[in-house]
Amino acid sequence: DTEVTQTPKHLVMGMTNKKSLKCEQHMGHRAMYWYKQKAKKPPELMFVYSYEKLSINESVPSRFSPECPNSSLLNLHLHALQPEDSALYLCASSRGGPYTFGSGTRLTVV
Amino acid sequence: KQEVTQIPAALSVPEGENLVLNCSFTDSAIYNLQWFRQDPGKGLTSLLLIQSSQREQTSGRLNASLDKSSGRSTLYIAASQPGDSATYLCAAGGAAGNKLTFGGGTRVLVKP
Repeated sequence: DTEVTQTPKHLVMGMTNKKSLKCEQHMGHRAMYWYKQKAKKPPELMFVYSYEKLSINESVPSRFSPECPNSSLLNLHLHALQPEDSALYLCASSRGGPYTFGSGTRLTVV
Repeated sequence: KQEVTQIPAALSVPEGENLVLNCSFTDSAIYNLQWFRQDPGKGLTSLLLIQSSQREQTSGRLNASLDKSSGRSTLYIAASQPGDSATYLCAAGGAAGNKLTFGGGTRVLVKP
């Protein structure tokens, strides 16, 4: 298995909702990442997990809460988001070599 | 702080022409340099990875070079095809397990 799988592919949520994004990989990669990408912009790093521990938080608002339950799974819990948080959320993993990205979750906050 | 720039932001060429995409970075202390392709609304597909100790990597019609001393990488795509139309992103990697810093991308259109 050489893929990073993200679910759901699309998500529409209200500003008072709580939802979660899920990312899974079975390549034995010990570093996992969340990136946010707005339209026509490059991806921006949000969080890095290394060996299941949070190693980088790029000053992301607390309404985004990451979780790494085990070496294959990465979640992003969402609560009280704003319309400007609408974006493509990308998960990636690596083991010192090439990063492998998932196909992303297209999030719309209404 | 690492900054990555890609010029031009957009490029249009006729089918069959060779493509040359440029990437520059400010901090030469990189771990690796990776090139990605992104189709509209999709995730990123890794094309080539060049480790900091390497000068170039090749895969089929793609060739990427790296010059750390000048802070530059170039992606060459030979004999372009309409299916090569996409946005190409370069990203500089810090220490192992650390973050990628992306350039703004070059949007490529190959006309039949």
